[in-house]
Amino acid sequence: DTGVSQDPRHKITKRGQNVTFRCDPISEHNRLYWYRQTLGQGPEFLTYFQNEAQLEKSRLLSDRFSAERPKGSFSTLEIQRTEQGDSAMYLCASSLAGGSQPQHFGDGTRLSIL
Amino acid sequence: SQQGEEDPQALSIQEGENATMNCSYKTSINNLQWYRQNSGRGLVHLILIRSNEREKHSGRLRVTLDTSKKSSSLLITASRAADTASYFCAETTGGGNKLTFGTGTQLKVEL
Repeated sequence: DTGVSQDPRHKITKRGQNVTFRCDPISEHNRLYWYRQTLGQGPEFLTYFQNEAQLEKSRLLSDRFSAERPKGSFSTLEIQRTEQGDSAMYLCASSLAGGSQPQHFGDGTRLSIL
Repeated sequence: SQQGEEDPQALSIQEGENATMNCSYKTSINNLQWYRQNSGRGLVHLILIRSNEREKHSGRLRVTLDTSKKSSSLLITASRAADTASYFCAETTGGGNKLTFGTGTQLKVEL
């Protein structure tokens, strides 16, 4: 079990640029989740996949955000035309499917918009 | 925001003391989970309590759940400096078991 890995750990970019983050889940986990966390708050759900299917998206996920999990393994989260308010920690988690499964989190990607 | 509330927001204790954190939530839950987050890191799962359970233990952790009051508490006994972290409760709802986190309690355990 190598854990959930996220890349990059930190990203600094200018407002208006596009950014893409990658998440590699635990290999046998078929569910993958994206959350966003701002300073002093708990993480907020963005979206989740079961295998390659994106099954739920939060209304926090505006049209500028898109997530994919093309082969049911790694996932990417892209933000287009970044805004100051996008500055946050983006966390990925994975789990087995089923009713009472804990989620395993990566260390996140911290995004700073200049 | 759909987040529940945690109480207290911050807690400072001496090593060896017990720490109690409380959480209130808003919806009908599948289960409730507690996570720990060290500064700048991801969250680590601590314990899960199902909606039909009232109390659960894991090592130095004890969690209670009162569904009539929509509240839960986490007790850490015999705290250590390494327990210093933020602690979050999270409701699990829906078929996908997405997590809805509370606002967290920042625990500091001093030597």
